[in-house]
Amino acid sequence: GAVVSQHPSRVICKSGTSVKIECRSLDFQATTMFWYRQFPKQSLMLMATSNEGSKATYEQGVEKDKFLINHASLTLSTLTVTSAHPEDSSFYICSARDLRTVAYEQYFGPGTRLTVT
Amino acid sequence: LAKTTQPISMDSYEGQEVNITCSHNNIATNDYITWYQQFPSQGPRFIIQGYKTKVTNEVASLFIPADRKSSTLSLPRVSLSDTAVYYCLVGDMGSGNTGKLIFGQGTTLQVKP
Repeated sequence: GAVVSQHPSRVICKSGTSVKIECRSLDFQATTMFWYRQFPKQSLMLMATSNEGSKATYEQGVEKDKFLINHASLTLSTLTVTSAHPEDSSFYICSARDLRTVAYEQYFGPGTRLTVT
Repeated sequence: LAKTTQPISMDSYEGQEVNITCSHNNIATNDYITWYQQFPSQGPRFIIQGYKTKVTNEVASLFIPADRKSSTLSLPRVSLSDTAVYYCLVGDMGSGNTGKLIFGQGTTLQVKP
């Protein structure tokens, strides 16, 4: 299947700072990528849909000014957690649709563990 | 987006066949059914996807009855490494839609020696 990478795999930052997470589709172009967060022992929660060349669409309850998403190219989407606080500590996962497949299969990155101290 | 219902957990033993059933009573005409596997601290891994009848690949089979209101993921001869959370998702994957996937609680499969 298609490959999606994330960088960094884990990051520790101090409260009040911003952190950028990158999501790349390595062997295909992705006009649409998605960002999820997952707390321990819980399911994935969709945060936003990242659209290449346009604004992201955020799910209800997700602060767009806190979680900035940029999808500047067909292979890269970034999520910036601004003014991070300990409650933002979570596992962040991105995914991308592979439009080459019959049913536009969605592939996930390995995730980024964010710890805010 | 169609809501899905799966058992919260299942236990099995090595070498057995495991069947996980998912209910999706409100599935729409254009919806596909997709199953993912997730290990702790990793992103979900695509297992299999189908629209109707039966789909088989090198790791699993997916059975979908004619009314498409449920589906069953079949894992043949599981091993300890198949211990994971399995998610059933339903969504319209067409190019005119975002392909947004909403995850339910998933099924935690524990394979015992």
